[in-house]
Amino acid sequence: DAGVIQSPRHEVTEMGQEVTLRCKPISGHNSLFWYRQTMMRGLELLIYFNNNVPIDDSGMPEDRFSAKMPNASFSTLKIQPSEPRDSAVYFCASSRDRGRGYTFGSGTRLTVV
Amino acid sequence: GESVGLHLPTLSVQEGDNSIINCAYSNSASDYFIWYKQESGKGPQFIIDIRSNMDKRQGQRVTVLLNKTVKHLSLQIAATQPGDSAVYFCAESPTRGSQGNLIFGKGTKLSVKP
Repeated sequence: DAGVIQSPRHEVTEMGQEVTLRCKPISGHNSLFWYRQTMMRGLELLIYFNNNVPIDDSGMPEDRFSAKMPNASFSTLKIQPSEPRDSAVYFCASSRDRGRGYTFGSGTRLTVV
Repeated sequence: GESVGLHLPTLSVQEGDNSIINCAYSNSASDYFIWYKQESGKGPQFIIDIRSNMDKRQGQRVTVLLNKTVKHLSLQIAATQPGDSAVYFCAESPTRGSQGNLIFGKGTKLSVKP
């Protein structure tokens, strides 16, 4: 089991550019979560999917953020246009059942300059 | 690696001592709780969980205690080792209107002195 796989590990981009973060959940897990971690706010839930369907996106900061899960093995989080305040570590996590512990990926450290 | 917070509560212990990390949760309807460990540059890692119908659960060198009356959760680590140095998060799962969402606390940084 390779765990939750995120790419890229690091991303440095200029303000205004589009950024796409990718996640491959653990096979057989039916829930997928995107979190953002910053020094000021800690871990914040952005959006989560259950069986590829977005269930709660109330944590998505604004319309610049969008997430998709076209199939059970892949999800993307897109920021367009990116801004310096989006700089953070973005984690993807998956779980098999509702209300169970998640398995986190290693994260993508995003720096917007 | 990512620094998870300059203002995190910090617990400093001597190697071999026991550590107790505390957490106050917010939702009295939460019925499932988890402790995570996050090392520098890595994602949070599951340590131990507990359901609200229990008040204590033990794992390998770790024990989680739940006090629902005061909405308090604690993690005890026996014979703390340098490898235990990390940030520890508690997380709760509310039951109403939730389909698996976890709400994370701010975290406590554990520093183990050799």
